[in-house]
Amino acid sequence: QVQLVESGGGVVQPGRSLRLSCAASGFTFSSYAMHWVRQAPGKGLEWVAVISDDGGSKYYADSVKGRFTISRDNSKNTLYLQMNSLRAEDTAVYYCAKDFRGAMDYWGQGALVTVSS
Amino acid sequence: DIVMTQTPLSSPVTLGQPASISCRSSQSLVHSDGNTYLSWLQQRPGQPPRLLIYKISNRFSGVPDRFSGSGAGTDFTLKISRVEAEDVGVYYCTQATQFPITFGQGTRLEIK
Repeated sequence: QVQLVESGGGVVQPGRSLRLSCAASGFTFSSYAMHWVRQAPGKGLEWVAVISDDGGSKYYADSVKGRFTISRDNSKNTLYLQMNSLRAEDTAVYYCAKDFRGAMDYWGQGALVTVSS
Repeated sequence: DIVMTQTPLSSPVTLGQPASISCRSSQSLVHSDGNTYLSWLQQRPGQPPRLLIYKISNRFSGVPDRFSGSGAGTDFTLKISRVEAEDVGVYYCTQATQFPITFGQGTRLEIK
């Protein structure tokens, strides 16, 4: 069965960096685009970034462009989100999600990132 | 950016009764490839989102047939034919026709 497991969350000071990982299993990882989506406490969903199956195409939300980088290692079945220059408003649960025909069909349990001094 | 507007934001429903959620986009969601990338997600309390419907009306694997999606262009609807207790949660419409991908504000479904 499809599994997505995020890791790397935690508490970080404003301006610092953090890298999230998402370990995938149960499907051919290299055949699917992958997304990061976040949810601030008590708020709705916000799309963060997407990467194509081969890593050649990447798109970002304006709110993270220039600060966050999405990447993948298909040999390790792992998706990454490098987050630099973190701000308080980046505090959220970060989900990785598998792309399926323009939708997100499987989601991880999420990793909580708290940006606070 | 395409703005997704859901109504209502809260929907108290009696068990066994139908429920309907509307989603309107600020521009047409018809992609140049002819597809309309409008999907619906359910988020139960304390859980990650779950895909219910993709491309307007296609039920995802394992989704009960009491869930249905319809619409075209800029107006879309999610219907639950008979609400069950396990349907409590927040429902989101989302579009992937154009980047950035955007979500509606969410509609909270609760039992009366």
